[in-house]
Formats: sequence, structure tokens, C-alpha cells
Amino acid sequence: QAVLTQPASLSASPGASASLTCTLRSGIDVGPYKIFWYQKKPGSPPRYLLKYKSDSDKQLGSGVSSRFSGSKDPSANAGILLISGLQSEDEGDYYCMIWHSSAVVFGGGTKLTVL
Amino acid sequence: QVQLVQSGAELKKPGSSVKVSCRASGGTLNKFTISWVRQAPGQGLEWMGRIIRIFGISNYAQKFQGRVTITADESTSTAYMELSGLRYEDTAVYYCARDASDYMDVWGEGTTVIVSS
Repeated sequence: QAVLTQPASLSASPGASASLTCTLRSGIDVGPYKIFWYQKKPGSPPRYLLKYKSDSDKQLGSGVSSRFSGSKDPSANAGILLISGLQSEDEGDYYCMIWHSSAVVFGGGTKLTVL
Repeated sequence: QVQLVQSGAELKKPGSSVKVSCRASGGTLNKFTISWVRQAPGQGLEWMGRIIRIFGISNYAQKFQGRVTITADESTSTAYMELSGLRYEDTAVYYCARDASDYMDVWGEGTTVIVSS
């Protein structure tokens, strides 16, 4: 079982909100982890969006719109990326990431379609 | 603002090695940790390892242990990733990225490596 699991795809309408989940493998408690989020578009390198551990320990990347925010759902053992006021430019792949056992682990990515 | 400039695309035969470079432009890499991440066609992001400059050590993802070597040259502010024993499934775009404490904030443009006989 993968360390981080993301839904393969998600579709949402312009102006709506999208909630992208990143579920940690059973046995790995989301509580102590910082969840990092990256956006990836074809032909471009990944772009750091934000990190979230708690409401008192979070950071939005430089130049990243405040429409992007992070949270956690402890009951689902998951990190969440919320994108509000969806725009066509938000289409792309979104990857969550954690540091686990001194190594970076990426989720499989979620392809977000805005239509 | 520092930019990371990577070497050009490579075409390699199975079993051979490839060495990709990542040079800092407009700044220096000398104090920073540099990670390498790859993305195979149609696949997700995969972290390969990093070089921790301040300690002068590298650590690698378990998957690549024994096949990857990440080094850096302070005099030229350049980091390198060498992957040996190339397989068809190593065909990917390879990215270097600067670590800003615990996340990767500046990325190179990527280097395409194609493994083909």
C-alpha cells in the first residue's frame, strides 16, 4: 500500500471550490506530519503551493494565491488542499508530499479539471 | 533570484550511465540542499535523493540506492545526479530543486533522459 494516496482525478466548475485529499497509509498518523502541496502543469516544473501541519503551523508559498489553503481531516487520516474560486488556470496535476523516514514521499497525484 | 539551469536532453543505451547537471544562475547553491525528482511519462513525481550541502552528505531514496550518486561542485555552484545501470523505465524528465528548509522552492526546467537501444 502506498504511503500517500490521492484520487486520480477530480472535476469542478469555474468559481466553485475543489477539495483534494491526500490519505496517509494506515499506521501512519497524519497528526505529526507537515503536508506539502505542489502543482504540476505539462512542460513546466512543479510549483510549490503550501505546507500545512496545523492552523498555527502552515505556510503559503511565495506568490501563491490565497485561494489555495491547506487543512487536515484526522478522522480520514488525510491532508486536504482546498482551492476556492476555481479558475481555468488551476487545471493541472496536484501532488501531496511528506517527509517520511528521512525521505521525501509524493502521492500519486490528482488531475484537476476545471470545466 | 537564483535560477537552476540544467543540462540538455540525453539519449542513452540500456546499461549505461547518465550524469545530469544543475547550475545556479544569479546566485549560489553553496549553502543549500539540492534534491532530484523525476517524472516518467504518464507517471507521478518521484524523489530520488538529495545532497545536504552544509553537512556534505547525500541521502537517497531506497529505490535508487546503489544506482544514483548526487554530488556538488562548490567552485562552479553546480550539482550533479548520476544514474547508472539505466533501464527503459528510467526514461523520464529529471528535475533538480533547491530545498528551502523542508520544501523545494526553486526548480530547474528539467532534463529529458531517454533510454533506448
